Amino acid sequence: ETGVTQTPRHLVMGMTNKKSLKCEQHLGHNAMYWYKQSAKKPLELMFVYSLEERVENNSVPSRFSPECPNSSHLFLHLHTLQPEDSALYLCASSLGGANTGELFFGEGSRLTVL
Amino acid sequence: QKEVEQNSGPLSVPEGAIASLNCTYSDRGSQSFFWYRQYSGKSPELIMFIYSNGDKEDGRFTAQLNKASQYVSLLIRDSQPSDSATYLCAVDSGTYKYIFGTGTRLKVLA
Repeated sequence: ETGVTQTPRHLVMGMTNKKSLKCEQHLGHNAMYWYKQSAKKPLELMFVYSLEERVENNSVPSRFSPECPNSSHLFLHLHTLQPEDSALYLCASSLGGANTGELFFGEGSRLTVL
Repeated sequence: QKEVEQNSGPLSVPEGAIASLNCTYSDRGSQSFFWYRQYSGKSPELIMFIYSNGDKEDGRFTAQLNKASQYVSLLIRDSQPSDSATYLCAVDSGTYKYIFGTGTRLKVLA
């Protein structure tokens, strides 16, 4: 496999469920990101990890919990979500360091919260 | 609040014409500028990046940067129906921080 892969591609969950989104990158990058994309809004940065350490947390509600066990894998754990959390969640990676370079995106996980 | 502004469109151009997409940004410290293309239901993919003032050409695409005016543009020559997509402008605002615009939807009419 190459690039950035995300699973699941589609997820429907109730407000009381607990689920997780998974991201894996095969590019040898050091930085991984979670972005939220809602209709008619710019991409919102949620979390950034560099070499498994969280370097950015953009005031995201605690019902979203990231986990980065190694530089190739990134998870987003979801619990007690609200309907307004329905969106496309995009994982991305980049080289990292001082010259962060461009972002490489996965195909996204389309989340619907009922 | 650091921002990137784009006209949401849609921008409609006939096939074969030049499409001109524009973007302004607020952070004077930004050093890297990116254009991503996003097809409906797909994720963004990088089209061009530019770091220096002036023009950068890659095939049918030209990125233009004017840091004094805080303005970035993307020109698409000989537009094709397959170019119909949303184009996202992104600028860096510090390490690991990319600020995105809302995107401009381009429609190339056959």
